[in-house]
Amino acid sequence: EAQVTQNPRYLITVTGKKLTVTCSQNMNHEYMSWYRQDPGLGLRQIYYSMNVEVTDKGDVPEGYKVSRKEKRNFPLILESPSPNQTSLYFCASSLKGLAADTQYFGPGTRLTVL
Amino acid sequence: KNEVEQSPQNLTAQEGEFITINCSYSVGISALHWLQQHPGGGIVSLFMLSSGKKKHGRLIATINIQEKHSSLHITASHPRDSAVYICAVRSGQGAQKLVFGQGTRLTINP
Repeated sequence: EAQVTQNPRYLITVTGKKLTVTCSQNMNHEYMSWYRQDPGLGLRQIYYSMNVEVTDKGDVPEGYKVSRKEKRNFPLILESPSPNQTSLYFCASSLKGLAADTQYFGPGTRLTVL
Repeated sequence: KNEVEQSPQNLTAQEGEFITINCSYSVGISALHWLQQHPGGGIVSLFMLSSGKKKHGRLIATINIQEKHSSLHITASHPRDSAVYICAVRSGQGAQKLVFGQGTRLTINP
């Protein structure tokens, strides 16, 4: 089944404890992206990647890192999480890019930073 | 002012009604996306438009590039259409960033 998977789905952590949220797609998509969703602010793009080893900042990249060493995986790294990073995170992928076709979204990861 | 504005923010209707959700944007765009977020949180991409009109089942999406406006229509609405509908624009040639509207919460009562 074609899908985007994220792990973990739920995570409660404490300030400063490094964490990684994994994202994987099995559709051989070139484009992958991370978003966060907050009440009153909607969805905002964190980072995106056009292909392996090619990443770029979205609108809210501060406090986050990403890497794209393999086409299928695009992990989101929080080196030193803070409470303002408490949010619902979505990973998404598309075959070539945003202008060409639709995006497939992962199920979301709800992160709470205490 | 947000780059992408949706209206209305909330919409409640009876089953069977024709629904229209609007999206206006202030930047030049290459494409516009309509997304649906179910009460459980999952997001599904409905349409990607760069011009004209697209139809999928009871859903119709239109875009007017000159007026910087898009609409999402639902015909013969059903309670299962209850969801948050989100408009997003890809701005700038070559840019792969998406800017999102705040979403429209639609509730269809039986």
